[in-house]
Amino acid sequence: DTAVSQTPKYLVTQMGNDKSIKCEQNLGHDTMYWYKQDSKKFLKIMFSYNNKELIINETVPNRFSPKSPDKAHLNLHINSLELGDSAVYFCASSQAPTGSQYFGPGTRLLVL
Amino acid sequence: KQEVTQIPAALSVPEGENLVLNCSFTDSAIYNLQWFRQDPGKGLTSLLLIQSSQREQTSGRLNASLDKSSGRSTLYIAASQPGDSATYLCAAQGAQKLVFGQGTRLTINP
Repeated sequence: DTAVSQTPKYLVTQMGNDKSIKCEQNLGHDTMYWYKQDSKKFLKIMFSYNNKELIINETVPNRFSPKSPDKAHLNLHINSLELGDSAVYFCASSQAPTGSQYFGPGTRLLVL
Repeated sequence: KQEVTQIPAALSVPEGENLVLNCSFTDSAIYNLQWFRQDPGKGLTSLLLIQSSQREQTSGRLNASLDKSSGRSTLYIAASQPGDSATYLCAAQGAQKLVFGQGTRLTINP
């Protein structure tokens, strides 16, 4: 059983397209996150949701819009993709905002 | 603003050696300090979490220490094995978010 899963694993797309990444956790956690890991492997938080409510939005362009239909899912929609959006996007979850975080396998996005 | 630094950026040691990875953070007002492992092309695996009130945590051959007053944490790996080769990341937990260091890429040579 995969604790935190993401789809797709790989995403190759053209500049200007709109794409979505899905995340699901079966741990019963209340808090979910999206992180971006750039080409230098630096991992930085983008968004955090607790009980479906947005609690962190870190200086992310408004082309990125997270959506949490329920506590087990946090999806990321990206409009008008740019070359600089190429990165690995990780979803994570924790029982509480300060608890131990469990990460998904990542979605490798390449914008051409 | 919390900043987390890990030194060294890369480390290569022979199998069997004990080793220490270092992590420093600028803001001591943390809830906890977490250590993760990342294998190439994979997600992060949680190794140890040290609460702000604790001094250390142990799991198998891994021991992590925390000194909040000096803004430092160390990860000690005993009797290293080739399977320990990975990137190790530390992260400081603030009120709402986890701030990561850039990692130490560890290679254990057989």
